[in-house]
Amino acid sequence: SAVISQKPSRDICQRGTSLTIQCQVDSQVTMMFWYRQQPGQSLTLIATANQGSEATYESGFVIDKFPISRPNLTFSTLTVSNMSPEDSSIYLCSVEDRGSQETQYFGPGTRLLVL
Amino acid sequence: DQQVKQNSPSLSVQEGRISILNCDYTNSMFDYFLWYKKYPAEGPTFLISISSIKDKNEDGRFTVFLNKSAKHLSLHIVPSQPGDSAVYFCAASEQGGSEKLVFGKGTKLTVNP
Repeated sequence: SAVISQKPSRDICQRGTSLTIQCQVDSQVTMMFWYRQQPGQSLTLIATANQGSEATYESGFVIDKFPISRPNLTFSTLTVSNMSPEDSSIYLCSVEDRGSQETQYFGPGTRLLVL
Repeated sequence: DQQVKQNSPSLSVQEGRISILNCDYTNSMFDYFLWYKKYPAEGPTFLISISSIKDKNEDGRFTVFLNKSAKHLSLHIVPSQPGDSAVYFCAASEQGGSEKLVFGKGTKLTVNP
């Protein structure tokens, strides 16, 4: 399975500011995903990030609020822009299983608190 | 509207007994189902999956059952161990595990020694 790291692991931010979360994978993968887990809620897909193309956003999520970069096959960033307390969540990146393509492996997550 | 539902927020069982975690879904287009385990401060860890062409998949102590007519799946853990204590998420996809996953809210399992 892929080894995935995320930075930062946690952060406390002031409203109106932006935070960029990094996701690094130890092997090349085509598809990377960004999820959000709000308190007491399920994981929700924000967007799918493929290298060399624009990210594909799910309903309710827009590029201006959550810009994503995917400069190569092992790295991606998610920015949470103009933050409000409602953005307080755990943000997780995941990658496809290149072998079986039957599952996704998740990073440890970034725990964000917006004051 | 939640497409994947885990109606039991928590479950407590004795070590050595069977743990049964349940999941219901509403989207008939889902054809692939997965279970993840999550410890605090960690990301979800893949446990087991099942395709809609099967009704059972087994991996060691973990077995997943799928009842398509009832739109219901369950995860059985036998025997349960204290290290199994975690939050378990059910997830579903329309096109296999490498596409968008739709998650339930999770069930917190506690296995008592």
